[in-house]
Formats: sequence, C-alpha cells, structure tokens
Amino acid sequence: EAGVAQSPRYKIIEKRQSVAFWCNPISGHATLYWYQQILGQGPKLLIQFQNNGVVDDSQLPKDRFSAERLKGVDSTLKIQPAKLEDSAVYLCASSLDHRVASYEQYFGPGTRLTVT
Amino acid sequence: GEDVEQSLFLSVREGDSSVINCTYTDSSSTYLYWYKQEPGAGLQLLTYIFSNMDMKQDQRLTVLLNKKDKHLSLRIADTQTGDSAIYFCAPASGGSYIPTFGRGTSLIVHP
Repeated sequence: EAGVAQSPRYKIIEKRQSVAFWCNPISGHATLYWYQQILGQGPKLLIQFQNNGVVDDSQLPKDRFSAERLKGVDSTLKIQPAKLEDSAVYLCASSLDHRVASYEQYFGPGTRLTVT
Repeated sequence: GEDVEQSLFLSVREGDSSVINCTYTDSSSTYLYWYKQEPGAGLQLLTYIFSNMDMKQDQRLTVLLNKKDKHLSLRIADTQTGDSAIYFCAPASGGSYIPTFGRGTSLIVHP
C-alpha cells in the first residue's frame, strides 16, 4: 500500500512570506496529524484531525499557522507570515483511528522548510 | 505536560548490543513507543509496550519498563550498521495515545 505522501520535500522562503504544505494520508486512515520537528529535537504535534474535524490544535500557533482537511482526506498546512523560528521539518502522519492505541501512526518523509 | 529525557548519542561496535535509555515524567503514560528515524526519512514505529508490562521482546529488540522509576529502555541485540539512526522514546499519556517525543538518541554503529 502507498505510504503517506508529502510535498514539497524542500522549501526555502524569506521571512514574512507565506508557504503551504500538502499531505495525502494512507487510504482509509481517518486520523491525520501534523508535526513540527526543529533540528535536534523530537517532533511536536501541531494539529490532529479525525476525518474533517479538528481533535486537537492546542499547540498550533494560530496567529500564523492554519490547517484544513476539508474532505477528510488530503490536508494542507499553511504558515503566513513565516518567521525564522519556523525553520523545521514538517511531518504528516496518519493512522486508522486515533482512538485505538494499537493503530500505528505512519509518517511521511516530511517537508524541510528553511526561512531566511 | 510530559517531559522525556534521552542521552543524545550512543556509539557501539557492530555485533555488540545497544541500550538506549529514556526517562519520562508522566506516571499516567499508558503506551510507551520507540520510533526510529533514518536520515531524510520520516519516523518508523519500532515497538511499543503497554504500561502494565515490564518487558517486551520482538526479535532483536527488547523493551524494559520500570514504571516506578519512569524509566524505559530499548536494547538492540547484534547491532548492525543498518541500525544507525536516531531513536525516539515517546510515551503517550491518558486516553489520547498521542506520543510525546524526546530529543532522540543518535545511534552510531561502527565496524
């Protein structure tokens, strides 16, 4: 089965510009996650969707970050405007259903964002 | 919130055993995961242990959990160069099953 797809793989922008990332989860997975991984740190959850609804966005900096999963499949994460500290790898993951612990999260390869 | 601590680096010789240690703070952690991240790749779930278990073995991997001390370890037997990667300890607390990741331990395997 195809894994979690993300694009672009790399992005370089200047501060104050906007950027968007796209994620296509594994077919049939109801739960989708976006993580931010700053160099040298572990991933930090930004937002979690169950189908097209938000389960948890408590760690999302809502003044500049937004995410949507309108049809409960693909998702986009946007940053507007970007700051230098947003430089990180943005990981998308999906699982069959977040309410079942044994359902593994599958991670995409990530988008590496550099803000200059 | 949960705090997870891991040593940053571990260097071992090929064929030896590797032991990666982790401490966490949230005693309500129910599932405790170990993830592997290879360069330029996403994370891969290696194994997990439920909080009512002390040990879990899965081929070359052995997970030990000391719930009293909130200490988790991952042992890799017969470590190979292909095991070189960053290993993340990630406990999940409460009913969310969302893991909180440590900073990761970079395992370097040399011939």
